[in-house]
Amino acid sequence: AQSVTQPDIHITVSEGASLELRCNYSYGATPYLFWYVQSPGQGLQLLLKYFSGDTLVQGIKGFEAEFKRSQSSFNLRKPSVHWSDAAEYFCAVGYSGGGADGLTFGKGTHLIIQP
Amino acid sequence: NAGVMQNPRHLVRRRGQEARLRCSPMKGHSHVYWYRQLPEEGLKFMVYLQKENIIDESGMPKERFSAEFPKEGPSILRIQQVVRGDSAAYFCASSPPNNAGGEQFFGPGTRLTVL
Repeated sequence: AQSVTQPDIHITVSEGASLELRCNYSYGATPYLFWYVQSPGQGLQLLLKYFSGDTLVQGIKGFEAEFKRSQSSFNLRKPSVHWSDAAEYFCAVGYSGGGADGLTFGKGTHLIIQP
Repeated sequence: NAGVMQNPRHLVRRRGQEARLRCSPMKGHSHVYWYRQLPEEGLKFMVYLQKENIIDESGMPKERFSAEFPKEGPSILRIQQVVRGDSAAYFCASSPPNNAGGEQFFGPGTRLTVL
């Protein structure tokens, strides 16, 4: 069965500093990988996704992520965080057959931005 | 183009009552997914439906929970005889047919509180 691990429950970063959120997955085939962001009391917004091609993917709001098959990882990065980036971030894996399954989510990483 | 709509946004029920959660997918989307998010947890897949068909209900509790997506109208997640443990945020997502990219578009969620 597929699984997603986000090892950091909370991360605190100073505004303007760089950010990396970790995500490791377990999946028996080529996965579809996603990062979603959730602001308090809100739904989920897709930041970026990977399903084939270039292993470094660019997303919205200045985020990027790199798929590393050898490490089963899909870490999210941003060179300089803004206070508005404070939110909950979820990594998710989907079936590579194309949207035919529910996504499997990690437990999330809560990002706190220090002034 | 309106996004995924869910109503109500907040729902309060007493133990033993029924809860009905509604989801209208994005225009042109024929696949609907329901997820549950418990406090401090990630989203857990519950059920995947297409029009008039349940495709995968492997994440649904065996009792008291049911879902439908009729030919006309929104998808409904129904919880009978609610208990305190059903208190959670319930998210609906939709995707188009032939969803090669695997992306799901999420609604704002319904926050169910059981007293």
